[in-house]
Amino acid sequence: DVQILDSGGGLVQPGGSLRLSCGDSGITFSTYAMNWVRQAPGKGLEWVSLISGSSGKTYYADSVKGRFTISRDNSKNTLYLQMNSLRVEDTAVYFCAKAPYYGSGTYAALDFWGQGTLVTVSS
Amino acid sequence: EIVLTQSPGTLSLSPGQGATLSCRASQSLSSTYLAWYQQKPGQAPRLLIYGASIRRTGIPDRFSGSGSGTDFTLTISRLEPEDFAVYYCLHYGSPQYIFGQGTKLDIK
Repeated sequence: DVQILDSGGGLVQPGGSLRLSCGDSGITFSTYAMNWVRQAPGKGLEWVSLISGSSGKTYYADSVKGRFTISRDNSKNTLYLQMNSLRVEDTAVYFCAKAPYYGSGTYAALDFWGQGTLVTVSS
Repeated sequence: EIVLTQSPGTLSLSPGQGATLSCRASQSLSSTYLAWYQQKPGQAPRLLIYGASIRRTGIPDRFSGSGSGTDFTLTISRLEPEDFAVYYCLHYGSPQYIFGQGTKLDIK
């Protein structure tokens, strides 16, 4: 079974930084696009960012562009999210999720998810 | 920008009944790129349906998806106690995933 483990969440003050990690036990990590999706307390799901499998091309939601950076280390089967200039409204559970790549810039549905890690931004 | 609107916001039903959940897009979508997820409290979302109507391996056949263009539907034919959860639709394909706001299915 695919095992995905999110970590790195915690309490941080507004304006602070935090780095999330996501480890994947699968043998095909480098062939998948990886995503971060967040969920504010009691709210719905919001896609945050995607990084492609091999080329490392990145995409961001407007709400985090310029503040968050997604990256991956395929040799370690690990995904990262560097979050800077954090705001109260960034408080959420952050999930990493895998997406197969169809080719020609087209990505599949998010099929395997981590259990999530809670980020709380508060003074 | 595409917006997905789910209805109703909350659906109260009893086990054994059927449920119909709607997802309406602000512009026409390729049905290839519409998925449905189930989320229970404290858990990650679980993929149920992709390509609007293709059931993921291991998902019970009481779950079915349909629709095209701007109107998509998730139908649960006979509700089991474990089906009471929040359901989200998702538009994918391009690297800008878009979720609906969710429908909460709770026990009447």
